[in-house]
This record gives sequence, structure tokens and C-alpha cells, in this order.
Amino acid sequence: NAGVTQTPKFQVLKTGQSMTLQCAQDMNHNSMYWYRQDPGMGLRLIYYSASEGTTDKGEVPNGYNVSRLNKREFSLRLESAAPSQTSVYFCASRLGTGVMYEQYFGPGTRLTVT
Amino acid sequence: KNQVEQSPQSLIILEGKNCTLQCNYTVSPFSNLRWYKQDTGRGPVSLTIMTFSENTKSNGRYTATLDADTKQSSLHITASQLSDSASYICVVSSGNTGKLIFGQGTTLQVKP
Repeated sequence: NAGVTQTPKFQVLKTGQSMTLQCAQDMNHNSMYWYRQDPGMGLRLIYYSASEGTTDKGEVPNGYNVSRLNKREFSLRLESAAPSQTSVYFCASRLGTGVMYEQYFGPGTRLTVT
Repeated sequence: KNQVEQSPQSLIILEGKNCTLQCNYTVSPFSNLRWYKQDTGRGPVSLTIMTFSENTKSNGRYTATLDADTKQSSLHITASQLSDSASYICVVSSGNTGKLIFGQGTTLQVKP
């Protein structure tokens, strides 16, 4: 039982390049989330998927796209990376969207855009 | 605007000492308040979740309090250990959709 896994752990991109961050969970959770964490700021929600087959924008969706590939996997794509997207990205999952469900985080992907 | 503010921004204490971290929030409607611990280079891990009606909740040496009237919470760490060195994040859940609003975190360093 690995929980939430993310690949890669580190990535350096040049401005304008594209890449996909991968996330998978083995807890049979319905809901999955992508956050970014910047120094001095709280985690901010980029996109989420309340259940398989649905995705919705969060607080900071511009410049990103997501795919809920199946119940286990939720990927985040940067089509044309910009320096402002330099951040640590966390994937998370929870059993449901109800208020008391615990949210489990992956180890993060540290992305630098030069 | 929904906000979660934490203080202090950073804290250094000696091993074995106690400390208290603060969290003030302006989130409406309020559902619950959570404290997470985030080790360097890792994802956040939940310590406690408290609902509106709970004043105190403990998890080992961690004790969280909640005053829903003043919209304040604290996390008290007793007999600190070197492994307590981490960032502690206060998170408030809003409404019935489970939307989470994160504080910026308090970085705690425990020195021997």
C-alpha cells in the first residue's frame, strides 16, 4: 500500500516546454486533487476531480490541464511552461468530498522553469 | 475573503521544551479545522481534525484547541523532540463541499 505516489520528484524545464506530472493512488479513493505550494503561501488548489470522469477548476487553474485517466490516476499537464509555474506540486486524494474525509498527500514534485 | 493566518512564521526551541502555534481564520461557512505536519521535502500529513463542537483534540504529544467564537486555534507540542522539526499547517474546511483553505504554515526547528 504505497498511498499517493507522484512522478517525477524533480524536473527542470525551459520556458515554453511542456510536461505532464503523474499521480496515482492505491487507496480506492474517489476524489483527487492537484495543489501548488509556493514559499510563504498556503497550498493552492489547481484542479480537482471529485470522481472518475469529472474534473473542475480550483483557485489557480490558468496554464494547466488535467486528466483523470481512471480511478487511480490523475495527471497534471503544463502545455507551455512559464517561470511563474516554478513551484512544488502536490497531488492528494480522499475517499469522498464530504467535510470529514481525510486528505492524503503525495511526496511532491519540485518543478523549476528557467 | 476566506483566509487562514498563522503565527509565528518560524520558531526555534530547545529539545524537551513545549511550544504553541497559533492559527486565526476568517472562513465562512466553517466545517472543520485541521492541523497538518509537513516534513522537509515531503507532503503534509494530518495530525488532527476538529469540528465546530470540539474544543480540544490530542494526538500523542500534539494537542489542538479550537475557539469557534473567536475563530482561533492553537497547536501545543509537549516535550518537543528533534523529529518535531517541520512545518505545521492550519487548514480550514469550508461549506459542505470539503473545500480546504490552507494557512502559510509555521516552521518549527527543534535544536538539541
